[in-house]
Amino acid sequence: GDSVTQMEGPVTLSEEAFLTINCTYTATGYPSLFWYVQYPGEGLQLLLKATKADDKGSNKGFEATYRKETTSFHLEKGSVQVSDSAVYFCALITGGFKTIFGAGTRLFVKA
Amino acid sequence: SQTIHQWPATLVQPVGSPLSLECTVEGTSNPNLYWYRQAAGRGLQLLFYSVGIGQISSEVPQNLSASRPQDRQFILSSKKLLLSDSGFYLCAWSEGLASHEQYFGPGTRLTVT
Repeated sequence: GDSVTQMEGPVTLSEEAFLTINCTYTATGYPSLFWYVQYPGEGLQLLLKATKADDKGSNKGFEATYRKETTSFHLEKGSVQVSDSAVYFCALITGGFKTIFGAGTRLFVKA
Repeated sequence: SQTIHQWPATLVQPVGSPLSLECTVEGTSNPNLYWYRQAAGRGLQLLFYSVGIGQISSEVPQNLSASRPQDRQFILSSKKLLLSDSGFYLCAWSEGLASHEQYFGPGTRLTVT
């Protein structure tokens, strides 16, 4: 079945460091890919998305490129801030009504 | 604009007691609705989803049930809570098939004692 694999956390970085959170997927068909972010005690928010191969989603300084050849959708940010501390979820949907989520990666950013 | 509400925000219930969590969506019609559970430090587990009034799909057999009595209302229930039902419950909605992203509510923190 369809699945999403994310790098295990937690990831701890100093402010202004470069961030990469790896995400790979297995899916039949042509999925749409998403990154969601969850701040402490809150629900998830959509961070960015890409709906076809080679699309780049971007938002708030975060970017991810849909790589069909490597079945990956890695999240990157050039300079993280303390306020980026959160849990990040990679997800996919291949049609229908169900989204498949990864296990989440917790990010801690130190001042 | 669309908004999604969940209540209560937090709940402490004894084992064996009933449960009712409510979720409502405003500003859209005929949304797809979802209930997820998130155990401490873990990912999301899809519990139920609904594509229309009275239509409920269950993903995981368990102690919980869901109902959709109105187009924009989704209720999660249990007749007798178990300790293992503790967790963070999230409701979400999405629009048809054209826009696949999901929009999440603020969640309910349930502690079963």
